[in-house]
Amino acid sequence: QITLRESGPTQVKPTQTLTLTCTFSGFSLSTHGVGVGWIRQPPGKALEWLALIYYTGEKRYSPSLKRRLTITEDTSKNQVVLRMTNMDPIDTATYYCARDAHCSASSCYNHDAFTFWGQGTMVTVSA
Amino acid sequence: QSALTQPPSVSGSPGQSVTISCTGTSGDIGAYNRVSWYQQSPGTVPKLMIYEVTTRPSGVPDRFSGSKSGNTASLTISGLQAEDEADYYCSSYTTTNILVFGGGTKLTVL
Repeated sequence: QITLRESGPTQVKPTQTLTLTCTFSGFSLSTHGVGVGWIRQPPGKALEWLALIYYTGEKRYSPSLKRRLTITEDTSKNQVVLRMTNMDPIDTATYYCARDAHCSASSCYNHDAFTFWGQGTMVTVSA
Repeated sequence: QSALTQPPSVSGSPGQSVTISCTGTSGDIGAYNRVSWYQQSPGTVPKLMIYEVTTRPSGVPDRFSGSKSGNTASLTISGLQAEDEADYYCSSYTTTNILVFGGGTKLTVL
């Protein structure tokens, strides 16, 4: 069974750094074709893609947020961590992590879509 | 990279068909067959409905279908049901090797 779960602070102050952890099970980020990404959704607004890390260790970032984001992996712990610096009230949102991979019985490939999602964690930025 | 353009809302009566468009550019939708569609009901996690333009994940009803022409992708829902009422988001891979989402479309079943 594939699961993902986000964890981290529910509230941060402006200018602080947000650190979110995605702990997953049922798959390995070492498997060919697998990626784990972060997506956020401000209240009442649209989804926004933030970052993704592939099984190769390759990392991709939203151009508009690239200077503030860092995505890392701890394969031994089955975790992916997202750091976002200089938080602002506009960053208030539900943050999701999700798996990007289509897997058959024998192999996986990256299909640039998120089949499995965590439940999301709401982060409020306020003084 | 700009967000993909979707109509803010669409509506239809039970049993009818509705189509939601998603317009991008030659740098995203027009470049690859890597368009996905997600359904999100209020208070729930997005659910993948279509990937690679036309492919339905296991368990998604065949009432949902996807297509693409040029820089525009479309999601068609036939035989509309009350449970289809939700927000729908498109997504595409881009030539800058990132993903981008659309602004979302609220589907109302009349």
